[in-house]
Amino acid sequence: DGGITQSPKYLFRKEGQNVTLSCEQNLNHDAMYWYRQDPGQGLRLIYYSQIVNDFQKGDIAEGYSVSREKKESFPLTVTSAQKNPTAFYLCASTPIWGSAGELFFGEGSRLTVL
Amino acid sequence: SQQGEEDPQALSIQEGENATMNCSYKTSINNLQWYRQNSGRGLVHLILIRSNEREKHSGRLRVTLDTSKKSSSLLITASRAADTASYFCATERGGADGLTFGKGTHLIIQP
Repeated sequence: DGGITQSPKYLFRKEGQNVTLSCEQNLNHDAMYWYRQDPGQGLRLIYYSQIVNDFQKGDIAEGYSVSREKKESFPLTVTSAQKNPTAFYLCASTPIWGSAGELFFGEGSRLTVL
Repeated sequence: SQQGEEDPQALSIQEGENATMNCSYKTSINNLQWYRQNSGRGLVHLILIRSNEREKHSGRLRVTLDTSKKSSSLLITASRAADTASYFCATERGGADGLTFGKGTHLIIQP
């Protein structure tokens, strides 16, 4: 089945540690996105990538880093510089960059900092 | 930056009743989308309405768009317990960097 796979689903981290969240898609989509969701809140854009080897900061990029070495993969690293990393992280993709069309989402990764 | 704002924040109705959620936005748009999120899951696209459309239907869903008032509504008819979820409206960000989402309406359908 085509779709977006995020892993792990749940992740616990001690303060000061970096963690990487995986996002893989087999939809052959060009554009990929990372959003953060806090309880009772909407989604806030962290980073997005329009094409391989290119990515742009979103609204809340501080403390996060990404890479886009392959079309299928867009991992997100939550660094120790992120002050409040506990949140639900959602990866999404869309077929064509700039189309403002439907976003396809993964099932999310919940990060808890202990 | 958040473009769309849903109203109400929470809504509880009896199974079989209709549920209406509203979304207001601030700047001009090319289209507006509605998404659904079950608790602890990813978002699922429900429907997209373009700026030159006034109404669109998909199964038990009816979406309206009033560009003069910068508002949209999502109507779910004959609600079911399985419709319990959060519903978000989304608009493009004015560039190519994805969508802007509101805070959502949490819908509870009482059996």
